[in-house]
Amino acid sequence: DGGITQSPKYLFRKEGQNVTLSCEQNLNHDAMYWYRQDPGQGLRLIYYSQIVNDFQKGDIAEGYSVSREKKESFPLTVTSAQKNPTAFYLCASSMGTLQPQHFGDGTRLSIL
Amino acid sequence: EDQVTQSPEALRLQEGESSSLNCSYTVSGLRGLFWYRQDPGKGPEFLFTLYSAGEEKEKERLKATLTKKESFLHITAPKPEDSATYLCAVLPNTGGFKTIFGAGTRLFVKA
Repeated sequence: DGGITQSPKYLFRKEGQNVTLSCEQNLNHDAMYWYRQDPGQGLRLIYYSQIVNDFQKGDIAEGYSVSREKKESFPLTVTSAQKNPTAFYLCASSMGTLQPQHFGDGTRLSIL
Repeated sequence: EDQVTQSPEALRLQEGESSSLNCSYTVSGLRGLFWYRQDPGKGPEFLFTLYSAGEEKEKERLKATLTKKESFLHITAPKPEDSATYLCAVLPNTGGFKTIFGAGTRLFVKA
């Protein structure tokens, strides 16, 4: 079945540590997104990629980095510069910006 | 500033009690409006896309409508399995890629 796979489901970060969240899709979608979801707030865009080797910052990119070396993969690194990383992180993909987004089941990141 | 507001924040219904969820938006032109359903601990699941005022879409007990300022998600005779958070998202007509999400409405349907 086609879909988006995020891993791990739960992740714990120590002070000063960088952690990487995995996102893989087999839907052959060009566009991929990373969102952060906090209680009582809408999804906020961290990064967006429309094609391989190209990505744009969203509203809250500070303290995060991404890469897009393959069409299927869009990993997100939460760096030590992100002082409040505790949140639910969602990866999504779409055929294009006018098309609905398909989401993975998220990674919940907490601080140790 | 582009904004999407959903109301109410939470809604409690008895099984079979029909109701509506509201999504009001303030954007510089609308390219598309999306409704998603999100279960606890899961990613959102796509329900509907609406592109122009007057458009309606239906799926089982759900019906989405769109005006120039807001969208409604009507739930007819809900069942407990309809309990979830319903998210509204708007793609403004700015030529960009950013979709603006509302905070969602948490729906609880009691048997």
